[in-house]
Amino acid sequence: QQQVKQSPQSLIVQKGGISIINCAYENTAFDYFPWYQQFPGKGPALLIAIRPDVSEKKEGRFTISFNKSAKQFSLHIMDSQPGDSATYFCAASDATNKLIFGTGTLLAVQP
Amino acid sequence: NAGVMQNPRHLVRRRGQEARLRCSPMKGHSHVYWYRQLPEEGLKFMVYLQKENIIDESGMPKERFSAEFPKEGPSILRIQQVVRGDSAAYFCASSPTQFTYEQYFGPGTRLTVT
Repeated sequence: QQQVKQSPQSLIVQKGGISIINCAYENTAFDYFPWYQQFPGKGPALLIAIRPDVSEKKEGRFTISFNKSAKQFSLHIMDSQPGDSATYFCAASDATNKLIFGTGTLLAVQP
Repeated sequence: NAGVMQNPRHLVRRRGQEARLRCSPMKGHSHVYWYRQLPEEGLKFMVYLQKENIIDESGMPKERFSAEFPKEGPSILRIQQVVRGDSAAYFCASSPTQFTYEQYFGPGTRLTVT
């Protein structure tokens, strides 16, 4: 019940296209859903996060869509750029503050 | 404003030796979390500490691993008698309070056990 399932495992998108990464969870106590971006050899960087009281949050080219009834959330990267090529992790936490991470999606944006 | 700092960035230990990993949280942050990332895997929670207190160590192996966050100085993750399976990237994150969900990660320590 503590798992966060992430798909796809890898994704290739053309420059200017939309990248979509999906996550699903079981634990209804989760109330915070962040996305992290990680470049090789670096630590994860907080990209954008959402709480379950809203269905969508947008920051620049990055949007989180949240479906509470389906227990799913997704990251959309609009106008994808080669510099967006990285591994993306979804995560979830509850009042314990522990982040439970998905297994990651390796995104490659081709020029 | 410096971010989360971790050292060393790379650490090589022979089987049976001890590994000490250090983490200095962001300025003003008093909550520290340690996560482990095995090759090609996501991050797994290990332990959550506040100054002088272990809040949650449910993700930490019962043996050989310990963590502390003293009143003064960095948080330390200590691995005794390392084995090859301990080879991983260890990340520290910090947050200002227990009521703040955002966690900011350091660059990690890559431990290699030979």
